[in-house]
Amino acid sequence: DIQMTPSPSSLSASVGDRVTITCRASQDISSYLNWYQQKPGKAPKLLIYAASYLQSGVPSRFSGSGSGTVFTLTISSLQPEDFATYFCQQSYNSPRTFGQGTKVQMK
Amino acid sequence: EVQLVQSGVEVKEPGESLKISCKASGYSFISYWIGWVRQKPGKGLEWMGIIYPGDSDTTYSPSFQGQVSISDDKSINTAYLQWSSLKASDTAMYYCARQSRFITGNVASHLVFDIWGQGTMVTVSS
Repeated sequence: DIQMTPSPSSLSASVGDRVTITCRASQDISSYLNWYQQKPGKAPKLLIYAASYLQSGVPSRFSGSGSGTVFTLTISSLQPEDFATYFCQQSYNSPRTFGQGTKVQMK
Repeated sequence: EVQLVQSGVEVKEPGESLKISCKASGYSFISYWIGWVRQKPGKGLEWMGIIYPGDSDTTYSPSFQGQVSISDDKSINTAYLQWSSLKASDTAMYYCARQSRFITGNVASHLVFDIWGQGTMVTVSS
């Protein structure tokens, strides 16, 4: 299985901050990387697919980049509704594994 | 509205069997794969397996192969996740999700879980 490793596992930030989360794959996955947001008690929600494509309806303050083994999710100006846990997922092959998540908390 | 609605909370004892469901509406059920994802309390997401209701083709993660069974009933647009003998370690939230294929500018196709059910909490305890 391809291992997906997020960093950091958690971070504290303030409204308006620029936040960057990294996800590393254990092998080259090209651009086959998705990002999901999960709020407490809710199902995950697709934010970004193919490493950098914004899902319909997702605010433009979210962006993704990377290819190969290193990927980043950036929130350009953190909003109150963005405090959540973010998961990466590789869609390169089966099983399409997720990372353990990065929790974004209020400072 | 496209949605997946899952069955309710389950509390079971070790050794018992269980089948939870995921009912699809608002789209062609047989045209999309449906996956199952486990989330243990306070932990990350685990990809368990996936089924294509068009022909019931199923793929399991090696970690879950033989531990669970995924099936579907096309007549009622419903996918299922089943255990024959539950363990305490099966205690978790279970999500179903629709897998869609998104095509990008370079004509590559990318598989995503774009619609999720609300989750079914399964507690296994004596």
